[in-house]
Amino acid sequence: DSGVTQTPKHLITATGQRVTLRCSPRSGDLSVYWYQQSLDQGLQFLIHYYNGEERAKGNILERFSAQQFPDLHSELNLSSLELGDSALYFCASSLRQDTGELFFGEGSRLTVL
Amino acid sequence: GQNIDQPTEMTATEGAIVQINCTYQTSGFNGLFWYQQHAGEAPTFLSYNVLDGLEEKGRFSSFLSRSKGYSYLLLKELQMKDSASYLCAARNTGGFKTIFGAGTRLFVKA
Repeated sequence: DSGVTQTPKHLITATGQRVTLRCSPRSGDLSVYWYQQSLDQGLQFLIHYYNGEERAKGNILERFSAQQFPDLHSELNLSSLELGDSALYFCASSLRQDTGELFFGEGSRLTVL
Repeated sequence: GQNIDQPTEMTATEGAIVQINCTYQTSGFNGLFWYQQHAGEAPTFLSYNVLDGLEEKGRFSSFLSRSKGYSYLLLKELQMKDSASYLCAARNTGGFKTIFGAGTRLFVKA
């Protein structure tokens, strides 16, 4: 158990819908990262937050947005969903942004039908 | 930008040694990670190198050459449970981005 909690674990929805994925980082970790992993693909970096502030964006679509709240949990919002958005979405946390490893949650598996 | 290359697949025999290579390019460099990932599961941390040289941790070792933009993961005394994907990742200066390679799928055969 990494200490990073993601909900929901599984989500099935239809095209055009909107979903919110939630991540609670390890206790004391200030950095939260979101990654997308499509079937048999690598981890694609989406976005990084540190202590409530956005630090970096990767290949994140405009239909996707995220935020980190004062209690340090983070949410990833996916809207106007398309079939190609079906993937595992991982959240990872680290104590600081410039040192130490990333600890990953179990992921949220999104299926868009 | 950042780019990471590693072989797509490798096969090795139980009890043997395997080396998985990784080359990287980053706009600034602040560390190289190796993670193990079984299908459908979360990546788990294996090793971290920020200085040149070899880091050893049990059956796993990782090497880094910053001047060459090169790292490898060495797995000794392979076991069937080592069959998994091995992800190389580089963190840029400031730690804002940690970018992962596509992963190397390792098959360990009896």
